[in-house]
Amino acid sequence: DAGVIQSPRHEVTEMGQEVTLRCKPISGHDYLFWYRQTMMRGLELLIYFNNNVPIDDSGMPEDRFSAKMPNASFSTLKIQPSEPRDSAVYFCASSLDQGAEAFFGQGTRLTVV
Amino acid sequence: GDSVTQMEGPVTLSEEAFLTINCTYTATGYPSLFWYVQYPGEGLQLLLKATKADDKGSNKGFEATYRKETTSFHLEKGSVQVSDSAVYFCALTGGFKTIFGAGTRLFVKA
Repeated sequence: DAGVIQSPRHEVTEMGQEVTLRCKPISGHDYLFWYRQTMMRGLELLIYFNNNVPIDDSGMPEDRFSAKMPNASFSTLKIQPSEPRDSAVYFCASSLDQGAEAFFGQGTRLTVV
Repeated sequence: GDSVTQMEGPVTLSEEAFLTINCTYTATGYPSLFWYVQYPGEGLQLLLKATKADDKGSNKGFEATYRKETTSFHLEKGSVQVSDSAVYFCALTGGFKTIFGAGTRLFVKA
């Protein structure tokens, strides 16, 4: 398996624009996680899914953020409208089962200017 | 709620020095404990893990022992290399999600 695949690797956008980040988890993994990493706040869990169903979205910072998982092999994280303070590296991770190790993608570095 | 506390960095060492990065946790039940490593420009990757008390996880010369009595999972390596320079995250999984510490940046000088 190629591992968790995220796209794009880098995204630069203007404030107010919509941004969509994409993730393909490892095949057969039932759990998918979206994290945000910044220097100030470290690694924050935004939302996670189990079998394509959102389980806990308490980490989503605002209504501007939304995430979907239409099928077992694809998830999106959308920010609309984007703001400069959303600039961060966004990671997607998947795991086989609860309590199992998480496999991370290489991340999407988002810059909102 | 569950939480992980690890020592603040950065930690700067000379090559071949001994490394310890402290990690303590708070959790209900019996979590699994992990150390992840993040190299520049990459995502986190699992370094080692332990799933029950007194288990020792080890990989690439790194070790950590699950100490329930002290709620600790300290990372150690006897002789660090320049290539070990990275950010190290202690983490626990007690249910459906993984809780990460703030990360400790390690610099190893030649």
